[in-house]
Amino acid sequence: EAAVTQSPRNKVAVTGGKVTLSCNQTNNHNNMYWYRQDTGHGLRLIHYSYGAGSTEKGDIPDGYKASRPSQENFSLILELATPSQTSVYFCASGDAWGGGQNTLYFGAGTRLSVL
Amino acid sequence: GDSVIQMQGQVTLSENDFLFINCTYSTTGYPTLFWYVQYSGEGPQLLLQVTTANNKGSSRGFEATYDKGTTSFHLQKTSVQEIDSAVYYCAMRDRTGNYKYVFGAGTRLKVIA
Repeated sequence: EAAVTQSPRNKVAVTGGKVTLSCNQTNNHNNMYWYRQDTGHGLRLIHYSYGAGSTEKGDIPDGYKASRPSQENFSLILELATPSQTSVYFCASGDAWGGGQNTLYFGAGTRLSVL
Repeated sequence: GDSVIQMQGQVTLSENDFLFINCTYSTTGYPTLFWYVQYSGEGPQLLLQVTTANNKGSSRGFEATYDKGTTSFHLQKTSVQEIDSAVYYCAMRDRTGNYKYVFGAGTRLKVIA
């Protein structure tokens, strides 16, 4: 069973503080993704990665950085958190297109509140 | 750029009612279309994938088809149950090598017993 684990599950941060959201996958997938989920907007892509050492900007990257130190781990970093970044964040993994499986496997999400 | 429009933000039905959710897509590539379902407190999970126009995908009593001519795709179920209450997302991925998925805004389905 494909597994994507996010930590923490809930986080309260202060404006201007640094926040790191972590994601670990045991699927041996090359691709990993960070999305945020907001009512009326659905899932919007922040950053993604093709493999260890790579990070790419998604559709809404401003205010976020990403790090992929290994095949298994993908982090989302908010260097200076703002209240507008209050949201639910989802990490996902998936095979590269030629891998045969097109499914995205999501973690359970991290609820972030920036006060 | 690629886009997916999902207009129905919330749908409330009674048990055994018919469900129909529609999305439209825009791409210059060759899309594979998906439906993901998200139950309360969980991450989204794949419900259906539809690769070929006018072919149906089916799972758990749900069916999905897409019409290349109108660039639309829809999800339907003949008789919904309370356990189907969830958020349903349509999504698209370009088969020409783009690694990005594009999701619709989601439809929150509430089924009343």
